[in-house]
Amino acid sequence: GAVVSQHPSRVICKSGTSVKIECRSLDFQATTMFWYRQFPKQSLMLMATSNEGSKATYEQGVEKDKFLINHASLTLSTLTVTSAHPEDSSFYICSARKPGGTEAFFGQGTRLTVV
Amino acid sequence: SQQGEEDPQALSIQEGENATMNCSYKTSINNLQWYRQNSGRGLVHLILIRSNEREKHSGRLRVTLDTSKKSSSLLITASRAADTASYFCATEGPTNAGKSTFGDGTTLTVKP
Repeated sequence: GAVVSQHPSRVICKSGTSVKIECRSLDFQATTMFWYRQFPKQSLMLMATSNEGSKATYEQGVEKDKFLINHASLTLSTLTVTSAHPEDSSFYICSARKPGGTEAFFGQGTRLTVV
Repeated sequence: SQQGEEDPQALSIQEGENATMNCSYKTSINNLQWYRQNSGRGLVHLILIRSNEREKHSGRLRVTLDTSKKSSSLLITASRAADTASYFCATEGPTNAGKSTFGDGTTLTVKP
């Protein structure tokens, strides 16, 4: 199957700082990637759809100025959590699909802890 | 918003037994997928079933889909301790543009 790599796997940052998470499709080009957030023992909530070369589409209730998404190339999308607060601590996961494909390939996830 | 509901929320069985998890959804779908997640890790895709399919098999996994009831089930036969994980269903609808909507998940514990 295809490989989606997410980096870093774990990050601890101080309140008020910004953190960037990368999502790369290693062996295919992805015009669309998706960012999810998962709280402990809960399901995945879609945050936004990352579109290569255009603005991301955010789900209702997700602050676009807080969670900046950039999809600058066909293999890379980044999520930047700006001015992080402890309540932003969560597990963030990205996914990507091959063009025309139906299966989503997920990254390993990033555990963000804001102290 | 999440449209999938799974039951049970938690399931504990002995090694060798079968495990059945159910997923219900609310709107029309193109396909339904099942994923596995080990604690604190990413998702692993298990199986995809399309809206025009009723049953699929993959190794020890059997998935059924009943679009009239808007429900799906995942059966794991002859369970192993290594099957201990959380299992999620995810649906993709005609207008979802490729994004998945996840159910709440079932936490499966298989005791050796």
